Amino acid sequence: QSVLTQPPSASGTPGQRVTISCSGSSSNIGSNTVNWYQQLPGTAPKLLIYSNNQRPSGVPDRFSGSKSGTSASLAISGLQSEDEADYYCAAWDDSLNALYVFGTGTKVTVL
Amino acid sequence: QVQLVQSGAEVKKPGASVKVSCKASGYTFTGYYMHWVRQAPGQGLEWMGWINPNSGGTNYAQKFQGRVTMTRDTSISTAYMELSRLRSDDTAVYYCARDQDPGYYGSGSYNFWGQGTLVTVSS
Repeated sequence: QSVLTQPPSASGTPGQRVTISCSGSSSNIGSNTVNWYQQLPGTAPKLLIYSNNQRPSGVPDRFSGSKSGTSASLAISGLQSEDEADYYCAAWDDSLNALYVFGTGTKVTVL
Repeated sequence: QVQLVQSGAEVKKPGASVKVSCKASGYTFTGYYMHWVRQAPGQGLEWMGWINPNSGGTNYAQKFQGRVTMTRDTSISTAYMELSRLRSDDTAVYYCARDQDPGYYGSGSYNFWGQGTLVTVSS
């Protein structure tokens, strides 16, 4: 059972902006940076955003991340068909047994 | 170029153990911690733990403590994840992943992943 909560689904038409939320607590998002991953069907996850809002080389600037308090968001602007995938937020959790937690995941559908 | 190549699919009976390997290339193996993440069919991602290839030190998610063992062989740049007392709900794709930050367990920004190893637990 994940401690980071995401909406199960999100959708938009090509060119639209889609936002995915990630809700956590003071022990994870509230005190650590947030990373986002994109997972296409049948493939390994791909790092999309790190340290809340940084894009790795090669990730289009259509993808952006932000964090405020114990929540984070991923925005996809100018939605494209190839953006149809599962998206996961993730962060370290400073609980007794420090562990890395992933969000529940959001399936983005391009209509 | 950095590559993580995992061993092939496995089918195991309940109660058995499985050992998955992850061979690294293209970088200094001992310079980056290796993490393991699993994904059950149709489910989300679940972090299992990490190993420091330099010292052999490990940290496991509490859920897996007592059942998981992560080791490495620096001579062949390979990390291993062994899971024992397998149950049907251990059926999943197991991934190794390398953080982009060297020298410590990292920020959780895994920019390199293995291709995944499907472990099926069935009687």
